[in-house]
Amino acid sequence: AIRVTQSPSSFSASTGDRVTITCRASQGISSYLAWYQQKPGKAPKLLIYAASTLQSGVPSRFSGSGSGTDFTLTISCLQSEDFATYYCQQYYDYPPTFGQGTKLEIK
Amino acid sequence: QVQLQESGPRLVKPSETLSLTCNVSGGSISSYYWSWIRQSPGKGLEWIGYIYYSGSTNYNPSLKSRVTISVDTSKNQFSLKLSSVTAADTAVYFCARRGPAHNWFDPWGQGTLVTVSS
Repeated sequence: AIRVTQSPSSFSASTGDRVTITCRASQGISSYLAWYQQKPGKAPKLLIYAASTLQSGVPSRFSGSGSGTDFTLTISCLQSEDFATYYCQQYYDYPPTFGQGTKLEIK
Repeated sequence: QVQLQESGPRLVKPSETLSLTCNVSGGSISSYYWSWIRQSPGKGLEWIGYIYYSGSTNYNPSLKSRVTISVDTSKNQFSLKLSSVTAADTAVYFCARRGPAHNWFDPWGQGTLVTVSS
């Protein structure tokens, strides 16, 4: 199975900050990558698919980039509701696999 | 707007079979693929498998020998059975709709915690 590794595992930031989360696949996956946001006790919510396509209804402060093995999720101006755990997921090959998550906490 | 809701026993004994159902409302189960995904502290998010409304399936090789996913289009729901469970199968189980052409997932059900314990 393709391994997907996120970094960092957690970090602290302040509202208004610009933050970037990185996801690396163990082999090339073209642009077959999705990003999710999960809040405690809730299901993951799709933010981005195809590495950079924003899901309908997701604020434009979220953006994704990358292809091949290296990808990033950027939040341009952190809002209070953005403090959550973020996951990347590859769907280039079966089985689809998820990163271990990046927990974004308030500084 | 499509909504998904998992239901089933929250406690399962070791060696028995875990059974969950996902009810789909606000839209038809037809013409889509439907997945089960679980989340545990030890293994993170793990895709279990999917079923197409026609009944074709695809399972994670790590669970394939123990998993059965089925669909009931008349009830607009699909189900998961996981046999011979152990404590390692304790997790929050989510149902989700697969994307139109690829294996990203949206929307998800709220999830249900299933504990394997005697």
